[in-house]
Amino acid sequence: KNEVEQSPQNLTAQEGEFITINCSYSVGISALHWLQQHPGGGIVSLFMLSSGKKKHGRLIATINIQEKHSSLHITASHPRDSAVYICAVSGGSNYKLTFGKGTLLTVNP
Amino acid sequence: SAVISQKPSRDICQRGTSLTIQCQVDSQVTMMFWYRQQPGQSLTLIATANQGSEATYESGFVIDKFPISRPNLTFSTLTVSNLSPEDSSIYLCSVAKVRVADTQYFGPGTRLTVL
Repeated sequence: KNEVEQSPQNLTAQEGEFITINCSYSVGISALHWLQQHPGGGIVSLFMLSSGKKKHGRLIATINIQEKHSSLHITASHPRDSAVYICAVSGGSNYKLTFGKGTLLTVNP
Repeated sequence: SAVISQKPSRDICQRGTSLTIQCQVDSQVTMMFWYRQQPGQSLTLIATANQGSEATYESGFVIDKFPISRPNLTFSTLTVSNLSPEDSSIYLCSVAKVRVADTQYFGPGTRLTVL
């Protein structure tokens, strides 16, 4: 079974700061997902990665397959970025996800 | 993309009763999943909802407690039976479209509180 570890568990930043959230996993995967969960519970898919790097607005996600590690970066952070960010991995063709415990990000104005 | 709606969005139930959660997708999808997120915990897969056949349950989850239906490619229900306070969680429906760029989409979740 894949073990997914995220760090840090909690992160507090000032508006405008550059933020990095890390994710490591123990077994080879077919894809890694970064998800955002707001206080109401709903989840939004931010990225799905199998290699390299993806960028969407102020969000950047990278993955190093050899090192079994991924990072999510937020540039010019804003209070509306405050949420729980979750890393999840899938292996094989069954699309079942294994989730990390999430990183609670709070961005203060 | 896929837009998912869940009903109800939240509910408060009494011990011993059951709650049925509906998941509706705006387009046909190949895979549908049900997840549970207990307070302070990561999401855990309950089962894969299979169209026209019995769901495939993960270890620790059984059909008698979590009966699931999936009558077609856009709809599924999860029932949480014989509720206890330990069932208080967020329940999420997720779908996947099997394509070149596969992505999973998540519903808004149903927040259940059992008294």
